Amino acid sequence: GAVVSQHPSRVICKSGTSVKIECRSLDFQATTMFWYRQFPKQSLMLMATSNEGSKATYEQGVEKDKFLINHASLTLSTLTVTSAHPEDSSFYICSARPGQGGEKLFFGSGTQLSVL
Amino acid sequence: SQQGEEDPQALSIQEGENATMNCSYKTSINNLQWYRQNSGRGLVHLILIRSNEREKHSGRLRVTLDTSKKSSSLLITASRAADTASYFCATHLGSGNTGKLIFGQGTTLQVKP
Repeated sequence: GAVVSQHPSRVICKSGTSVKIECRSLDFQATTMFWYRQFPKQSLMLMATSNEGSKATYEQGVEKDKFLINHASLTLSTLTVTSAHPEDSSFYICSARPGQGGEKLFFGSGTQLSVL
Repeated sequence: SQQGEEDPQALSIQEGENATMNCSYKTSINNLQWYRQNSGRGLVHLILIRSNEREKHSGRLRVTLDTSKKSSSLLITASRAADTASYFCATHLGSGNTGKLIFGQGTTLQVKP
């Protein structure tokens, strides 16, 4: 099946620093990728839709200047958490949609961000 | 707000028993999907059922869909310890194929050996 690689799997950083998370589709092209956030024992909350070659679309309540998304190629999307604070600590998961109009998503293994 | 609500929130059963999880959603859908998440990991797609289907099987999984009640159920038969995970239903936001999946609250399943 389609493979999505997400790195890093875990990151610990100091408050005020920026953290970049990469999401790569390894064996397919993904014109659309999605970024989710998940708190412990809770569901996934959609943060933004990343479209190759265009600006990301953010869900209501998600700060676009805080969570920078870049989708520079058909196989790579990055999420940068800028000036991270402890409240940004969470599990971030990316997913990719193969080709045009794929109905199911393939997920990365997630990134656990801990901001001290 | 989340599209789907699931129950139970947590389920603990013995190996070999069946596990049933339910999901309700709010808006019209083209399809409903079930995903599995092992602790601290990403999600894995299990099964997709379309709005014009009422039941679908895949191995030990059986999914039903009742569009009149806006609800779906996932049945795992003859459960195994390896089935221990969280299970989420997901629907596309709105009636079109936007690609954006909205997830339910999830059911945490524990299968005791």
